[in-house]
Amino acid sequence: EAQVTQNPRYLITVTGKKLTVTCSQNMNHEYMSWYRQDPGLGLRQIYYSMNVEVTDKGDVPEGYKVSRKEKRNFPLILESPSPNQTSLYFCASSLTGLTDTQYFGPGTRLTVL
Amino acid sequence: AQKITQTQPGMFVQEKEAVTLDCTYDTSDQSYGLFWYKQPSSGEMIFLIYQGSYDEQNATEGRYSLNFQKARKSANLVISASQLGDSAMYFCAMRENTGNQFYFGTGTSLTVIP
Repeated sequence: EAQVTQNPRYLITVTGKKLTVTCSQNMNHEYMSWYRQDPGLGLRQIYYSMNVEVTDKGDVPEGYKVSRKEKRNFPLILESPSPNQTSLYFCASSLTGLTDTQYFGPGTRLTVL
Repeated sequence: AQKITQTQPGMFVQEKEAVTLDCTYDTSDQSYGLFWYKQPSSGEMIFLIYQGSYDEQNATEGRYSLNFQKARKSANLVISASQLGDSAMYFCAMRENTGNQFYFGTGTSLTVIP
């Protein structure tokens, strides 16, 4: 089954404790992306990647890191999480054409205390 | 400036009626794509419909259609014959030809009333 998987689905952590949210897709998509969703703000793009070893900042990259060492994986790293990073996070993947919709993972609910 | 604007935070519609969800966009690209997604209360993001900037016809997918007015930079989603299962958040999004970002609006929460 074609899908984007994220782990963990739920995470409660404390300020400053490094964490990684994994994302993997099995559709051979070049494009992968991370979003955060906050009430009233919609989805905002954190980072995106056009292909292996190519990553770019989205609109809200501060406090986040990503890496794209393999085509299928695009982990999101929070080196020192803060409470303002409490949010719902989505990973998504797609082909790179204008007409290509993104396929979303199930989301990761992160709470930073 | 916001790339995607959805001005209706919440909408109500009677079951079996049609409803229009508004979306305006801002781009200087001639070539771009517009998308609508549905997010039910369970949280997943579901792709509904796509409209390309060069498409002359309005996109349709079943009960969903897109009222595309290029000169006004609007891409409104029309849901015909609303069903209770249509109650959800709806997001408008855009992908530009230059740059590789996706831009989303703030969403519209639709409630279908029996």
